[in-house]
Amino acid sequence: DTGVSQDPRHKITKRGQNVTFRCDPISEHNRLYWYRQTLGQGPEFLTYFQNEAQLEKSRLLSDRFSAERPKGSFSTLEIQRTEQGDSAMYLCASSPRGLAGALNEQFFGPGTRLTVL
Amino acid sequence: GQNIDQPTEMTATEGAIVQINCTYQTSGFNGLFWYQQHAGEAPTFLSYNVLDGLEEKGRFSSFLSRSKGYSYLLLKELQMKDSASYLCAPLGGSYIPTFGRGTSLIVHP
Repeated sequence: DTGVSQDPRHKITKRGQNVTFRCDPISEHNRLYWYRQTLGQGPEFLTYFQNEAQLEKSRLLSDRFSAERPKGSFSTLEIQRTEQGDSAMYLCASSPRGLAGALNEQFFGPGTRLTVL
Repeated sequence: GQNIDQPTEMTATEGAIVQINCTYQTSGFNGLFWYQQHAGEAPTFLSYNVLDGLEEKGRFSSFLSRSKGYSYLLLKELQMKDSASYLCAPLGGSYIPTFGRGTSLIVHP
């Protein structure tokens, strides 16, 4: 399978715990995005990387959230001191490059569903 | 800022045609995506428009008017499997798509 993969698919944690999610993009894609989606809403942008550089972060991303893409391949999203409001589906997407045209199409992974108790 | 407006829910009959409208305001514009999302699954790409006009791809077509900040997705010969959420996502100046809340389409027999 050469699509975007995410791990784990489901995570249940207690409030206050830290969690880390992993995303493996399509290998030739240099852009990687993280989104959060709650029921009845569209995906909400969190942050994105071009290769290993984190180029933009949403203002909604609190200091408890951090993302890395150390070698420009896989990425991790960590949430520290989780809160019940963090419960959501966390989606990762990758795209070929940041140029105009259909190459900007994003390919989404299956997501990690986080439940904070 | 960015603002996207699309209907929350639509219903249609199998075999019919349905048009899902989207109006948007963005800081810069580099095209507009439509994605389909079935319940519990990730979004999948349907179409991309960067120039004004209609792009046809099988049963699905997408239209864009940049001057009006308007797009629509047209679904023909509806099938039950088309029941899903349809997400309008304009691409702003930073090439980051902003997703609307989505339109939940219910196709009934």
